[in-house]
Amino acid sequence: DSGVTQTPKHLITATGQRVTLRCSPRSGDLSVYWYQQSLDQGLQFLIQYYNGEERAKGNILERFSAQQFPDLHSELNLSSLELGDSALYFCASSVETEGNTIYFGEGSWLTVV
Amino acid sequence: AQSVTQLGSHVSVSEGALVLLRCNYSSSVPPYLFWYVQYPNQGLQLLLKYTSAATLVKGINGFEAEFKKSETSFHLTKPSAHMSDAAEYFCAVSVNNNDMRFGAGTRLTVKP
Repeated sequence: DSGVTQTPKHLITATGQRVTLRCSPRSGDLSVYWYQQSLDQGLQFLIQYYNGEERAKGNILERFSAQQFPDLHSELNLSSLELGDSALYFCASSVETEGNTIYFGEGSWLTVV
Repeated sequence: AQSVTQLGSHVSVSEGALVLLRCNYSSSVPPYLFWYVQYPNQGLQLLLKYTSAATLVKGINGFEAEFKKSETSFHLTKPSAHMSDAAEYFCAVSVNNNDMRFGAGTRLTVKP
């Protein structure tokens, strides 16, 4: 158990819908990362937050957004969902951003039908 | 930006044989390098990490990796493969306070 908690574990939704994935980082970790893992794209970095502020942005679509709240939990919002958004979404956390190990949650499986 | 390339998307070895998973990195500044393992239906778990303290890094489950600056490599090895080592392995790099970039992954199969 990494200490990073993600909900829901599985989610099935229709195209055009909006979903929210939730992440609770390890106790004391200030950085939260979101990754998308799919068969065709592999593991893709989406976005990173540090203590509530956006720190780095990767291949995140405009239809996707994220935030980190004062209690350090984070949410990833996915809207206008398409079939191609079906993937495993990971949240990860770390204490700091420089060279620190990041710890992954178990992931949220999203299936868009 | 920093990046890693994993050579070989699939590697198959026999139980008891040497495991060698290859990773080359690209970075304009000294990098931090990582190997993660992902078992089926699980998240990524840290195997080992290079932080410039020592070029040979020992990790969990008998794995180790050697940082070779001249070759920009950070290959993962294990002297004797076990069936339980079958998983997907990811090499990753981060520099300064930037995000961590992962390779495409190598799926390791262990044959009895």
